[in-house]
Amino acid sequence: QAGLTQPPSVSKDLRQTATLTCTGNSNNVGDQGAAWLQQHQGHPPKLLSYRNNNRPSGISERFSASRSRNTASLTITGLQPEDEADYYCSAWDSSLSAWVFGGGTKLTVL
Amino acid sequence: EVQMVESGGGLVQPGGSLRLSCAASGFTLSSYVMHWVRQAPGKGLEYVSTIRINAGGDTYYGNSVKGRFTISADSSKNTLYLQMGSLTPEDTALYFCAREDNAFDVWGQGTMVTVSS
Repeated sequence: QAGLTQPPSVSKDLRQTATLTCTGNSNNVGDQGAAWLQQHQGHPPKLLSYRNNNRPSGISERFSASRSRNTASLTITGLQPEDEADYYCSAWDSSLSAWVFGGGTKLTVL
Repeated sequence: EVQMVESGGGLVQPGGSLRLSCAASGFTLSSYVMHWVRQAPGKGLEYVSTIRINAGGDTYYGNSVKGRFTISADSSKNTLYLQMGSLTPEDTALYFCAREDNAFDVWGQGTMVTVSS
């Protein structure tokens, strides 16, 4: 099942800005937009944003999402040690009638 | 408090079957779309299945489980299920249930399924 494409890893310095990308196609990211999830080791995923840039209650404004055609992006400003985690994008694929996930990006905060 | 607790995982032989449960509390299961998502050890998230409990009960499956797994829900017990059959070692994973309220907004802690002889 075709998934979304994410870079395997990103490293940034403390207090800097990281931008994570997620590339799909017109049937998923380009259609319904993407959701972003954060997962710390040993914990279930946590929803950060949905439909491109809507944040659930309690999610810091340091996390913002956007989309340009078939590519979604998650920008994290003022990086903190607790931001070190795996980040996944996900989207409903209308041609597959299924959700698809990216392979995940491991964010390291130096 | 909104919460979901998975159970039913364990060790099963290749070719075997298992039924996972996801008990929901703090919300009414029948008002939502519910999902199963799995994560193999050290790997990323993989979509398994969806049931639109709040809209006719339509079901959807990932290609890797289609024809082998069945998702269902019992509204009287506020519980989601995943019946898994013809299991292979590639099905070894931590299985999460997740609620959809604008994407996957609430997750359980997961239940581990290991397929091995």
